[in-house]
Amino acid sequence: KAGVTQTPRYLIKTRGQQVTLSCSPISGHRSVSWYQQTPGQGLQFLFEYFSETQRNKGNFPGRFSGRQFSNSRSEMNVSTLELGDSALYLCASSWGQGSHNEQFFGPGTRLTVL
Amino acid sequence: AQSVTQLGSHVSVSEGALVLLRCNYSSSVPPYLFWYVQYPNQGLQLLLKYTSAATLVKGINGFEAEFKKSETSFHLTKPSAHMSDAAEYFCAVILNSGYSTLTFGKGTMLLVSP
Repeated sequence: KAGVTQTPRYLIKTRGQQVTLSCSPISGHRSVSWYQQTPGQGLQFLFEYFSETQRNKGNFPGRFSGRQFSNSRSEMNVSTLELGDSALYLCASSWGQGSHNEQFFGPGTRLTVL
Repeated sequence: AQSVTQLGSHVSVSEGALVLLRCNYSSSVPPYLFWYVQYPNQGLQLLLKYTSAATLVKGINGFEAEFKKSETSFHLTKPSAHMSDAAEYFCAVILNSGYSTLTFGKGTMLLVSP
C-alpha cells in the first residue's frame, strides 16, 4: 500500500506570492492533518479534515487555508507569503478521527520564501 | 504551561549504550501519548503510543516507554543504541480524544557515536 504522498517536495517562492501544497493520503484514509515544522517553533498544527470538513484548526492567520476533496486528497494554500512561512509542511493521514487512529506522515514539502 | 516537555534538545550516547529520552506531560492532559521519530529529510514515523492497556509500551526498533502517572512522565528508552538510531525524537499528546490533532514537544536530537 502506498504511503502518504506530498507534492511538490521542494518549493521556492518570493514574498507576496501564494502557494498551494498537495497531500494524497493512504488509500482508504479519510482524515488528513497538516503541520508546520520550523527550527524555532517546532511542529505546529495547522488543520484537520475529515470527510471534506475542517474539524479542527490551529492558531495560524487567515492567510493559511485548506480543503479536502471527495477522494480525501487535501490541499493547503498560503497567500501573501512571508519570510517566516519558510518551513517543512507535513501532512498526516489516518483512517478515521480520534486518538485511537494511527496517523501516518508524508515526507513533507520544504517551502523556502525569499 | 506546555502540554508536553522534552528535557534536553540534544542527547549523545555511544553505540551500545542505554538510550533515555525524557518526556513529561501536563497532568491536565488526557493520557493519549506518543513518541515519533524523524530521520533527516523525512516525515515522522510512529515509534509507540500509550493506550492505557499497559503502562510499559513496546514499540518498533527495540524502543519502549513507561507511563508513570505519579511522575507525569513518558520517557523513551532503548537498552542498546545503534548508529541507525541517530534521529530526532518527538513526544506528542492528543488533547482532545475526538480529534487526531497532535501537540508535540520541542524534540530531542539523538546523536550516536561509534
